[in-house]
Amino acid sequence: DAMVIQNPRYQVTQFGKPVTLSCSQTLNHNVMYWYQQKSSQAPKLLFHYYDKDFNNEADTPDNFQSRRPNTSFCFLDIRSPGLGDAAMYLCATSRDLRAGSGEQFFGPGTRLTVL
Amino acid sequence: SQQGEEDPQALSIQEGENATMNCSYKTSINNLQWYRQNSGRGLVHLILIRSNEREKHSGRLRVTLDTSKKSSSLLITASRAADTASYFCATAGRSYNTDKLIFGTGTRLQVFP
Repeated sequence: DAMVIQNPRYQVTQFGKPVTLSCSQTLNHNVMYWYQQKSSQAPKLLFHYYDKDFNNEADTPDNFQSRRPNTSFCFLDIRSPGLGDAAMYLCATSRDLRAGSGEQFFGPGTRLTVL
Repeated sequence: SQQGEEDPQALSIQEGENATMNCSYKTSINNLQWYRQNSGRGLVHLILIRSNEREKHSGRLRVTLDTSKKSSSLLITASRAADTASYFCATAGRSYNTDKLIFGTGTRLQVFP
């Protein structure tokens, strides 16, 4: 089945230790998104890729970076995690609006714990 | 800034009853979408309503949109215990060829058997 896969599902890191979360998709969508969702809050968009074009949200901290080496994969790098970065990180994909409706397809998320 | 506010924040009902959730937003939109999230999981798209539509149905779901009031509602009819989840509205603003979503605060629905 076509899907969005996130690894790992649970990640524990130490304060200040860089961590990378990964997302892959078999939907062949050209748009990929990263969201941060803290406990009992709404998902908040960090950035998105339209093909290889990177689009950062204005309020996304510099501590968060992303890479998209090809259509299928996208990575979220947190350079120096702080306690406030503990959250669920959600990856999503969508088609180009010329080809799709704007619906986004989400992965199961990676829950990050910072010790 | 957060776009959508939802109410109620939490809703508890019995199986078979209807559940209504409301969403208000602040700026003009291209479309509004509703998503469901089971505890600790990713979001699942339920339904999308475009800014020029007023009502849409999908199975037991009915969504309305009032752009003059900047509000939407999601009605789940004949609820089931399996409908227990958080429900989020998300407004879409156009960015290049993508729809950037801004999510509302969510409604936690508990359906008791």
